[in-house]
Amino acid sequence: GQNIDQPTEMTATEGAIVQINCTYQTSGFNGLFWYQQHAGEAPTFLSYNVLDGLEEKGRFSSFLSRSKGYSYLLLKELQMKDSASYLCAVRDSNYQLIWGAGTKLIIKP
Amino acid sequence: GAVVSQHPSWVICKSGTSVKIECRSLDFQATTMFWYRQFPKQSLMLMATSNEGSKATYEQGVEKDKFLINHASLTLSTLTVTSAHPEDSSFYICSARDVGQGDSYEQYFGPGTRLTVT
Repeated sequence: GQNIDQPTEMTATEGAIVQINCTYQTSGFNGLFWYQQHAGEAPTFLSYNVLDGLEEKGRFSSFLSRSKGYSYLLLKELQMKDSASYLCAVRDSNYQLIWGAGTKLIIKP
Repeated sequence: GAVVSQHPSWVICKSGTSVKIECRSLDFQATTMFWYRQFPKQSLMLMATSNEGSKATYEQGVEKDKFLINHASLTLSTLTVTSAHPEDSSFYICSARDVGQGDSYEQYFGPGTRLTVT
């Protein structure tokens, strides 16, 4: 079966760095996505990786290793507004998005 | 950027009634739209894939006669929850893929509709 694992909850301090991991086992691979979702709102796109390596976009970076079925989202200089759920999703061979359960990130002052 | 709207943003209805939710792509054409449901503290669950001009493809376990999907144009898809029950109370989110981007990686999400069935 298809499976995406990410931690349920993480806590970090304002101004610090946090890494949210995601491991996946899917039928084929056509890209991995990270989305941010604030409570009661729809997800918003953060990043996309289809090749191995690191993609940097401002305070957020995303890494992919296809051979390991592994990705992480790195958030730097954490701000209180970064408190949200972070969803990892993989597009499989049918171009279907398979979603992880999300990681709730709590930022403390 | 591409914008997807949903209407209504929230709705309360009585058990046994039907509710229609609209999903519109405002500045792009979407041959494919997706309907998701999300229960509190859970991830998105894909309900169905809606293709313009054809029947929707429903995920396993989703009743197609209860959740009617119509994708009549390249900018509008509707989800009708028929004979709603309290267990249908959830956050319904649509997303759309921009046809102009071909195999583009990104889905654009609507703001969601919170349905409460009393």
